[in-house]
Amino acid sequence: DIHMAQSPSTLSASVGDRVTITCRASQNVDNWVAWYQQKPGSAPKLLIYLASSLESGVPARFTGSGSGTRFTLTIDSLQSEDSATYFCQQYDAYPLTFGQGTKVQIK
Amino acid sequence: EELLVESGGGLVQPGGSLRLSCVGSGFTFRMFTLTWVRQVAGKGLEWLGKIDDDGGEIQYADSVRGRFIISRDNAKRSLDLQMNDLKVEDTAIYYCVKGQQLFDVWGQGAPVTVS
Repeated sequence: DIHMAQSPSTLSASVGDRVTITCRASQNVDNWVAWYQQKPGSAPKLLIYLASSLESGVPARFTGSGSGTRFTLTIDSLQSEDSATYFCQQYDAYPLTFGQGTKVQIK
Repeated sequence: EELLVESGGGLVQPGGSLRLSCVGSGFTFRMFTLTWVRQVAGKGLEWLGKIDDDGGEIQYADSVRGRFIISRDNAKRSLDLQMNDLKVEDTAIYYCVKGQQLFDVWGQGAPVTVS
């Protein structure tokens, strides 16, 4: 199985900050990576697919990058509503696997 | 609006069985692969398996193969997850999800407790 190692596990930042979350795959997954946002009590929401493509309706302050084994999700100008847990997911091979999540807290 | 609504979660003893159901609306249900994903409280997400649009191809994660059965009825727009021989470690929130590799529509989640 492909392991997705996500870091950090938690981060705290202020409104307006830029934050970056990293996901490392245990093997090459090309650009078959997605990012999801999950708020407490809700299901995950798709933000980014194909490593860098923004899902319709997702604010442009969310950007994804990377290929191969290293991927990043960046939130420019963090907003209070961005407080959530973020997960990466590879869909290069089955079983599909997710990172363990990064909890973003607002200071 | 595309929606998936799960039902059937609850408390079950180890070794017992439980059936989850999921009904879709707002999209052409019969045209899409559907997937089950679970999440242990406060933890990450685990892909459990998928069923293609006509139910002809089903794939399972190793952790549930032989115990869980995925099925669908396109006429009823329903997706089911039959869970047998449940273990304490199967305790989680179970989501039905639209999609094969990318998941753009999620159900609200069905909590399952094995204790």
